[in-house]
Amino acid sequence: GQQLNQSPQSMFIQEGEDVSMNCTSSSIFNTWLWYKQDPGEGPVLLIALYKAGELTSNGRLTAQFGITRKDSFLNISASIPSDVGIYFCAGPNNNAGNMLTFGGGTRLMVKP
Amino acid sequence: DGGITQSPKYLFRKEGQNVTLSCEQNLNHDAMYWYRQDPGQGLRLIYYSQIVNDFQKGDIAEGYSVSREKKESFPLTVTSAQKNPTAFYLCASRGRGAYEQYFGPGTRLTVT
Repeated sequence: GQQLNQSPQSMFIQEGEDVSMNCTSSSIFNTWLWYKQDPGEGPVLLIALYKAGELTSNGRLTAQFGITRKDSFLNISASIPSDVGIYFCAGPNNNAGNMLTFGGGTRLMVKP
Repeated sequence: DGGITQSPKYLFRKEGQNVTLSCEQNLNHDAMYWYRQDPGQGLRLIYYSQIVNDFQKGDIAEGYSVSREKKESFPLTVTSAQKNPTAFYLCASRGRGAYEQYFGPGTRLTVT
């Protein structure tokens, strides 16, 4: 089946630093979704990407849909303590159509 | 306010008892999903339903059961046959024609 590989698995950064994480697949995806999960809560949709090459921002967050359609990137600028959480990428499971394949997540920790 | 609710937030049960987790949505979404998340892990699909009175097994359906009698509700029963039921359970829903899933706040189940 399709798999999404996220890296890094975890990162521990200083407040104010920029953050980059990515999501790669051996299969083509036609939509990329980025979610954030705060500790003990459900994931919240941050950004949705629908077109190869698309670059979309949501406040300090910017996500890009890779040109090859096999990867996507999420950047966070000037990190703050509330950025702590797990960031998941996801894409539609083309075999099933109406399900999502999720990456394993990137755990972000921010030191004040 | 539109959204997905899960109750209760925390649930404690004795081993050998069945327990039902509630999930309700007022987003008028057709599809609903149940996921399981273990500490430090990603999301694993238990069951999903694309329409009332119909549901399909996900990757880890053994020991679980669901029903979809109403569009708004998709309860999950964790049966005594589930060997390791302690986990964080997330419900999600999706609108027709969309890929994005929207999650509830989760229920943390502890079985001792």
